[in-house]
Amino acid sequence: NAGVTQTPKFQVLKTGQSMTLQCAQDMNHNSMYWYRQDPGMGLRLIYYSASEGTTDKGEVPNGYNVSRLNKREFSLRLESAAPSQTSVYFCASSEYGYEQFFGPGTRLTVL
Amino acid sequence: SQQGEEDPQALSIQEGENATMNCSYKTSINNLQWYRQNSGRGLVHLILIRSNEREKHSGRLRVTLDTSKKSSSLLITASRAADTASYFCAAKNYGGSQGNLIFGKGTKLSVKP
Repeated sequence: NAGVTQTPKFQVLKTGQSMTLQCAQDMNHNSMYWYRQDPGMGLRLIYYSASEGTTDKGEVPNGYNVSRLNKREFSLRLESAAPSQTSVYFCASSEYGYEQFFGPGTRLTVL
Repeated sequence: SQQGEEDPQALSIQEGENATMNCSYKTSINNLQWYRQNSGRGLVHLILIRSNEREKHSGRLRVTLDTSKKSSSLLITASRAADTASYFCAAKNYGGSQGNLIFGKGTKLSVKP
């Protein structure tokens, strides 16, 4: 089992560019999440998907969109990147609201 | 807004000593979880304690929960250099949306050999 995988691992964007972060899990989990982690801020939830076909906003959704493509995949899109979106992005999955399994993260820099 | 707040923000100890980290939260919880993050990596789940439990053990880890004080502590006994990492508590709110966890800002633990 690969667990939770994320692509890409690193990305540098210019202000205004768009990109999609990909996430996939092979644990048959219903719930998937996108977080961002900034120095001294812990993890903040951007969007989550409680089950296939549903998505909901988290604490910091502005500037992002998500797609739950199927049970395995949950993507995060930045339509017009801003320097404030420079961060490390983590995808996670879980079952029944308990232990979350995290991917290795995507380090994004917006110039 | 942050639900869990860890204390201290940073902790430096010698190998073999015990490390204690504390977490406070704001609302009623279903469970509280602790995670570890090694530098440059994703978070790894350590232990979960339910709201009706007061203490839980897993290897060298001991977690306590005091719902009356809305606080939890993580004790790592006989620490090793490999325990050097950041530790986060995460609260699962009672009645909250399925699976949502509210993470604290973390305690950075450094264990010196």
